[in-house]
Amino acid sequence: QKEVEQNSGPLSVPEGAIASLNCTYSDRGSQSFFWYRQYSGKSPELIMSIYSNGDKEDGRFTAQLNKASQYVSLLIRDSQPSDSATYLCAVLADGLTFGKGTHLIIQP
Amino acid sequence: DTGVSQDPRHKITKRGQNVTFRCDPISEHNRLYWYRQTLGQGPEFLTYFQNEAQLEKSRLLSDRFSAERPKGSFSTLEIQRTEQGDSAMYLCASSLAGAETQYFGPGTRLLVL
Repeated sequence: QKEVEQNSGPLSVPEGAIASLNCTYSDRGSQSFFWYRQYSGKSPELIMSIYSNGDKEDGRFTAQLNKASQYVSLLIRDSQPSDSATYLCAVLADGLTFGKGTHLIIQP
Repeated sequence: DTGVSQDPRHKITKRGQNVTFRCDPISEHNRLYWYRQTLGQGPEFLTYFQNEAQLEKSRLLSDRFSAERPKGSFSTLEIQRTEQGDSAMYLCASSLAGAETQYFGPGTRLLVL
């Protein structure tokens, strides 16, 4: 059974600070990893994908992957109230295996 | 708007009725996926198609669920003899084979009374 684990939160971060979201996965053979953002009542929206160990930056977002530790993270710099959402970590198998998501709250 | 559309957006039905949902993927995408999401959980993979072939089905997909993609374009997901436990958001996603990023539609929210 392939599993993806996330802390469900809520994670509360002051506006302008760095939000750090973490995810672990069980299948050591996994190769492709994704972060999605989901607002309440809406469908998941892709933020970033990452396939290689190390960091990948896109604007205010940085994804980090450590395959040896089976660990994926997402950093959001200069957090804005509009970043308040649930962040879903996903690992690709046949379809995507998702964690339960971390509820992030950015406090103005 | 990702370009993936789903219809209807909301469906209320009574227990025991059959329901059918439709998904239209991004036009050039040959892979289409169905997921189910309940409150407080991440989406759960149900099944996927490459062109018209159904390549994988989750153990979550009971015999009451059937999906088709007859011409390799749009897909339908039918639930027969609905149960209250089927109440969920049903999500469709599409991708290009060989490109692993999936883009989600807006979902169909099902409520079984």
